[in-house]
Amino acid sequence: DTAVSQTPKYLVTQMGNDKSIKCEQNLGHDTMYWYKQDSKKFLKIMFSYNNKELIINETVPNRFSPKSPDKAHLNLHINSLELGDSAVYFCASSHGRIPNQPQHFGDGTRLSIL
Amino acid sequence: KQEVTQIPAALSVPEGENLVLNCSFTDSAIYNLQWFRQDPGKGLTSLLLIQSSQREQTSGRLNASLDKSSGRSTLYIAASQPGDSATYLCAVDAYSGANSKLTFGKGITLSVRP
Repeated sequence: DTAVSQTPKYLVTQMGNDKSIKCEQNLGHDTMYWYKQDSKKFLKIMFSYNNKELIINETVPNRFSPKSPDKAHLNLHINSLELGDSAVYFCASSHGRIPNQPQHFGDGTRLSIL
Repeated sequence: KQEVTQIPAALSVPEGENLVLNCSFTDSAIYNLQWFRQDPGKGLTSLLLIQSSQREQTSGRLNASLDKSSGRSTLYIAASQPGDSATYLCAVDAYSGANSKLTFGKGITLSVRP
C-alpha cells in the first residue's frame, strides 16, 4: 500500500506553462507538506497544511499556490514556470495532533523546465 | 535562523566497518532531531527521531545520539552493509505537531564497498 503518493512522477514542460502536482496520503494524517529539493540536493520546506488550513508559507513566489481540498490531499499549482523551478518536489505528511512524530515522504515529482 | 550542517558530504567505507555520521545545528531550541535515509530517485524514509529530552534512540544496527546543548547529533551504523549505501539526512524540528517545521542538512552520501 502506498502511504504518500504523488503524481506525476516526472514532469517536463516549457517555460511559461502552468502545471499541477497532486499528493494524496492514506495514513490518516492531518498535516501535509510540500518540500523542494534543488540541484544541490538541498531540501527546503515550502508549505504545510493542517486540516486544510495553511500553517507554513516559506518565502515562496506567488506563482506557487497550494490547495488542500481535504486533509488527505495537498496539491501544488505552479503558474508561469521558470527555469529555476526545475527541482524535485516532495510531499510529506504527519500526525499534527501528536507531538514528535516523523514525517512520511512521497517519492517526489521531478520537474524539468525546458 | 537555524542552520544544519553535515560533514563530510560523501563517505566511502568497506563492508563491515562501523561508522559515525555527524550532524550539527546552530539553534538548540528544538523539539526533536530526525535522521532520514534517501535512496536514489526515492523519497525520504524516517530512520530515527530523538526528542529534545532524550539522549539517544536505537533501531537495529542504527543508534542516534543527541547533545542539544552543544548542537550535535551522531548516527552510528554498526557492521555496515552494501545495502546501507544511500544519502543520510539530518533534520531538526523547531516546533512539533501541527506546526512542525523541519530544517534539513545537505546530507551525507554513503557508499559501502563489498
